[in-house]
Amino acid sequence: QVQLVQSGAEVKKPGASVKVSCKASGYSFTDYYMHWVRQAPGQGLEWMGWINPNSGGTKYAQKFQGRVTMTRDTSISTAYMEVSRLRSDDTALYFCAREKPGDGLDVWGQGTTVTVSS
Amino acid sequence: DIQMTQSPSSLSASVGDRITITCRASQGISNYLAWYQQKPGKVPNLLISAASTLQSGVPSRFSGSGSGTDFTLTISSLQPEDVATYYCQKYNGAPYTFGQGTKLEIK
Repeated sequence: QVQLVQSGAEVKKPGASVKVSCKASGYSFTDYYMHWVRQAPGQGLEWMGWINPNSGGTKYAQKFQGRVTMTRDTSISTAYMEVSRLRSDDTALYFCAREKPGDGLDVWGQGTTVTVSS
Repeated sequence: DIQMTQSPSSLSASVGDRITITCRASQGISNYLAWYQQKPGKVPNLLISAASTLQSGVPSRFSGSGSGTDFTLTISSLQPEDVATYYCQKYNGAPYTFGQGTKLEIK
């Protein structure tokens, strides 16, 4: 079945970086854009950006420009999202989600908790 | 950037009630609008795409309508399992902004 499996929870200190992985299975990884969405505790969904796994092209929300990097490894059908210069307000649940062309985000990973604390 | 505004932010209704959630875009987005349901402690689930297309497996009591700037999500007969937060999202180009969410509870 189609699924996205994310890496485990992370605890980081302010100023550090974190890299979250998202392994796809059950479909052709390069055929669907991969998005990243985060959700701070008790808050709503915040779109961070997407990566085109075929070309490696990316598009980031302006808020994250210069601090977020999305990459992929097509040989293992895995997308990555790295956030640098972490702050306490980056504490959140981070999701990867597949974009069904013209239809929105139809498959989601289970989420990765990132906690930023000194 | 286009802003997405949902109303109400929270809603309490009785089982069997018809409920409507509204999502307004600050500029026209044609029908590039999706609705998601997020139950407590769970991953968001795509309910409706293209403003009105119900995803496979979603109960028929859910429906969506609208185009341009004004959209609605309707539950024709509220069930206990519908307790969740509902989000709209535009996807006519980046940024793929979400509405702030509508928390639905049972009276």
